[in-house]
Amino acid sequence: GAVVSQHPSRVICKSGTSVKIECRSLDFQATTMFWYRQFPKKSLMLMATSNEGSKATYEQGVEKDKFLINHASLTLSTLTVTSAHPEDSSFYICSARVAGGPYNEQFFGPGTRLTVL
Amino acid sequence: QQQVKQSPQSLIVQKGGISIINCAYENTAFDYFPWYQQFPGKGPALLIAIRPDVSEKKEGRFTISFNKSAKQFSLHIMDSQPGDSATYFCAASFSASKLTFGTGTRLQVTL
Repeated sequence: GAVVSQHPSRVICKSGTSVKIECRSLDFQATTMFWYRQFPKKSLMLMATSNEGSKATYEQGVEKDKFLINHASLTLSTLTVTSAHPEDSSFYICSARVAGGPYNEQFFGPGTRLTVL
Repeated sequence: QQQVKQSPQSLIVQKGGISIINCAYENTAFDYFPWYQQFPGKGPALLIAIRPDVSEKKEGRFTISFNKSAKQFSLHIMDSQPGDSATYFCAASFSASKLTFGTGTRLQVTL
């Protein structure tokens, strides 16, 4: 149980285009999902917290107009990188927290490697 | 106060040995301490977690030791295997808040 999927696993796009990444909880409902960014050999950097049916909460320094987050259902959250540039190239990972769970357990997706040319 | 300090940065252990990774925190409100294992190119996987009402939790070869007074917790991997070679992250959170991650430890288990 507690499986989180991400799609696509890899994406290569041209500078200036927008890319959408999907995060799905496959076997549980997630009222809260999180989006992280990870640079090579570094820790996870939280970008935003996504709550179903409400606006995402962005961490300091993260441009909300550039990284659009939508959490339309209890099993799906999307991250759209708008007008992507090479500096946006990174490994993006989502996680989902079990709704109503007794602990703050978060389960991570497999990640999406974004390369902007 | 939100920091979680993790050490060592990297660790080399012989097969069959014990791998020990340490974390320290400052925020006494933290009440959930998970460890994650991450292989290259993959997302982190929840390995084991502990809450501050117990001092130790064991799951198979993995044990978390928790010292509330010292504000420290550690991961012990017994009988380390080459397949355990990965990056390990400790984390902490309180209530249902976001996780604060450590900086990670790259573990290499040699034959």
